[in-house]
Amino acid sequence: EVQLVESGGGLVQPGGSLRLSCAASGFTFSSYWMSWVRQAPGKGLEWVANIKQDGSEKYYVDSVKGRFTISRDNAKNSLYLQMNSLRAEDTAVYYCARVMSGEMDVWGQGTTVTVSS
Amino acid sequence: AIRITQSPSSLSASTGDRVTITCRASQGISSYLAWYQQKPGKAPKLLIYAASTLQSGVPSRFSGSGSGTDFTLTISCLQSEDFATYYCQQYYSYPLTFGGGTKVEIK
Repeated sequence: EVQLVESGGGLVQPGGSLRLSCAASGFTFSSYWMSWVRQAPGKGLEWVANIKQDGSEKYYVDSVKGRFTISRDNAKNSLYLQMNSLRAEDTAVYYCARVMSGEMDVWGQGTTVTVSS
Repeated sequence: AIRITQSPSSLSASTGDRVTITCRASQGISSYLAWYQQKPGKAPKLLIYAASTLQSGVPSRFSGSGSGTDFTLTISCLQSEDFATYYCQQYYSYPLTFGGGTKVEIK
């Protein structure tokens, strides 16, 4: 079964850091671009970042550039999102997703990040 | 960034109705548009990609059309399990962007 499972969410103070992980199974992880997408409470979907199969290309939404870093370990079938200098507006459910031609065809269940003092 | 304007933001409909949701891109995106369905507390589910290609396993009552700047998602005969929020997403260029969503509620 093709599956993505996120972990690493939690409560963090403003200015703090958090590292999200996404474990992939059931498909050849190294063959796909991967994404992080977030959803603030009661709001719509917001794309956060993409990473190429070999990690050589990365793209970010402007609001997280310089603060978040997407990475992957193909040997461990894992995707990561290092989040630094967190702000209240980063509070959201964070999903990892598999990317086909640009559309996201497999999604994890999400992990919740709350930034609050 | 390409802005995606989705309308309506919500609608009320009955089982059996035909429902249409539209997305308009701020510039041409060819057919690089996907549609997703999201139910409360769940991850989004891909319905349609390349503007009109039905994802495997998605019922044929869902269809998509359009190219350039104007796109439509149609549910031909609304079923109870279709009450959800729908999003469109462009993947023509970075940053990838989503429409604001359309909540389909029971009338």
